[in-house]
Amino acid sequence: EPEVTQTPSHQVTQMGQEVILRCVPISNHLYFYWYRQILGQKVEFLVSFYNNEISEKSEIFDDQFSVERPDGSNFTLKIRSTKLEDSAMYFCASSVRENQPQHFGDGTRLSIL
Amino acid sequence: QQQVKQSPQSLIVQKGGISIINCAYENTAFDYFPWYQQFPGKGPALLIAIRPDVSEKKEGRFTISFNKSAKQFSLHIMDSQPGDSATYFCAARNLYNQGGKLIFGQGTELSVKP
Repeated sequence: EPEVTQTPSHQVTQMGQEVILRCVPISNHLYFYWYRQILGQKVEFLVSFYNNEISEKSEIFDDQFSVERPDGSNFTLKIRSTKLEDSAMYFCASSVRENQPQHFGDGTRLSIL
Repeated sequence: QQQVKQSPQSLIVQKGGISIINCAYENTAFDYFPWYQQFPGKGPALLIAIRPDVSEKKEGRFTISFNKSAKQFSLHIMDSQPGDSATYFCAARNLYNQGGKLIFGQGTELSVKP
């Protein structure tokens, strides 16, 4: 069964550094999402992306965040200058169409020191 | 109004028992209510989902009951098994106004004792 893959599984970064989290969505999916889950808390929506544009973003997704689909397979989340509070599990998800179920990857654990 | 409130926070059930997890919402524009199952170290996996024009949906041992007037929905796991031990999240979506964005409940950690 096709799945969403995320790399790396764990990223440790110094505060203030840039970090790029990578995702390979399911191949025929057109809608892409990033969510995050701070330890012990609920999963929170960050951003949705379709046709090379952001279609929706949350208040969390400020100017420090950006997303990109650099080629036909990868979908990336960049945090320009990381803060301690960015430490969380980041999940990528994709769906065939906007009204179809979202499939999640296993996440990247981001630890900011 | 965008919140989905989930209870209980944790649940312990004996093997063979029924696990019940509840969620409540305020936004009547929500049009899709999925439940996700998450094992440690894994991402959320879609378990079952319902739309508000249906009052119940059953898939195997998993049933969603939906009460539109009360703005509540619940997950019932029949004949609960130790392998069902996981964290369960309810979620909601408002496709017309917010696209595919899912709003999640706080999660319920289910432990099924053998």
